Amino acid sequence: NAGVTQTPKFQVLKTGQSMTLQCAQDMNHNSMYWYRQDPGMGLRLIYYSASEGTTDKGEVPNGYNVSRLNKREFSLRLESAAPSQTSVYFCASRDGLAGPRTQYFGPGTRLLVL
Amino acid sequence: AQSVTQPDIHITVSEGASLELRCNYSYGATPYLFWYVQSPGQGLQLLLKYFSGDTLVQGIKGFEAEFKRSQSSFNLRKPSVHWSDAAEYFCAVGIYGGATNKLIFGTGTLLAVQP
Repeated sequence: NAGVTQTPKFQVLKTGQSMTLQCAQDMNHNSMYWYRQDPGMGLRLIYYSASEGTTDKGEVPNGYNVSRLNKREFSLRLESAAPSQTSVYFCASRDGLAGPRTQYFGPGTRLLVL
Repeated sequence: AQSVTQPDIHITVSEGASLELRCNYSYGATPYLFWYVQSPGQGLQLLLKYFSGDTLVQGIKGFEAEFKRSQSSFNLRKPSVHWSDAAEYFCAVGIYGGATNKLIFGTGTLLAVQP
């Protein structure tokens, strides 16, 4: 049971390049999330998917797109990377469709945009 | 609007000393509260959570937190800090309703432990 996995671990992009961050969970969770972490700002929600087939914007969705490929996988795409998107990206998942539950986090992807 | 405030950006304590990390939340409904810890270069690990019931919550690694509704606080405590506790600590409030289920995080408190 690997929990939440993310690939890649590190990535360097040039401004304008595109890339997709991958996330998978093997806990049969319904909901999945993408956060970004920046110094002094904590974690901010980019997008989330409450269940397979649905996605919703979080606090900071601009410049990102997401795909909930199936129940296990939730990808985050940067179509045209900008230096402001340099950050650490975390994926998380949780069980249940509603009500309070614990979110479980992946190890993160460190992205540098030059 | 919902928010979480962690007033202390950085705290240094001596090994063996007691620790209290502050967390205040703003949320109109019943709060569901979490503390996570992040070691350097790692993801977030759940320390403890409060959903209901006893307002003093025990977590992993000897941590506890007390929910005080009157003060809108959920402070994290440990009686004796170990060097391995050096990490960043995040408080979060859960927002649930309809199709919404998400966490709002504070900005974190970075804990340094002196030998």
